[in-house]
Amino acid sequence: QQQVRQSPQSLTVWEGETAILNCSYENSAFDYFPWYQQFPGEGPALLIAIRSVSDKKEDGGFTIFFNKREKNLSLHIKDSQPGDSATYFCAASKGNNNNRIFFGDGTQLVVKP
Amino acid sequence: SVLLYQKPNRDICQSGTSLKIQCVADSQVVSMFWYQQFQEQSLMLMATANEGSEATYESGFTKDKFPISRPNLTFSTLTVNNARPGDSSIYFCSSRDRGLEQYFGPGTRLTVL
Repeated sequence: QQQVRQSPQSLTVWEGETAILNCSYENSAFDYFPWYQQFPGEGPALLIAIRSVSDKKEDGGFTIFFNKREKNLSLHIKDSQPGDSATYFCAASKGNNNNRIFFGDGTQLVVKP
Repeated sequence: SVLLYQKPNRDICQSGTSLKIQCVADSQVVSMFWYQQFQEQSLMLMATANEGSEATYESGFTKDKFPISRPNLTFSTLTVNNARPGDSSIYFCSSRDRGLEQYFGPGTRLTVL
């Protein structure tokens, strides 16, 4: 059973639009949710993360909206730029340094100029 | 944060041979993780390696096929034994600092002919 699901699989937006990437999870014990950004030929880079005690986290043009009751979250990329074109992975874990992180299958974002 | 370096960054080998991938962290870390990623797909956790103990392997990955060493707190190696074309993928080492944040190396792209 997949622990973390992402949608859509791919997304194309125009420059300046807000891209919305969705994520849902199975285990209600998860309480730490990082998003990773991966460019072709590079390793995933930690972009932004949220703990389940919060319902929103902002960092620059990236915002996570979190709904604990529905067990889903979304990453909003405001004013998308072509340089934001990458694959975005949602992940989840129990908030303990010893616990593994479960990754979704990723959303491939293309921002057209 | 933790900076991770991998060597080689890419390799091409013949079926049936073995190859070794090295990972070095810029600071001491308790756990190192190895992931496999096929083209444009998600990250599969292969194993967790703690210093001075046997690595713990996830379902589908074995010690005989992917032996991992962890001789100290900054270093780990992943060996791919009896390489097959199906092993062609990108291999990432990963680690956490004292918090929950998990970081990835740049990856080693392996092609098995």
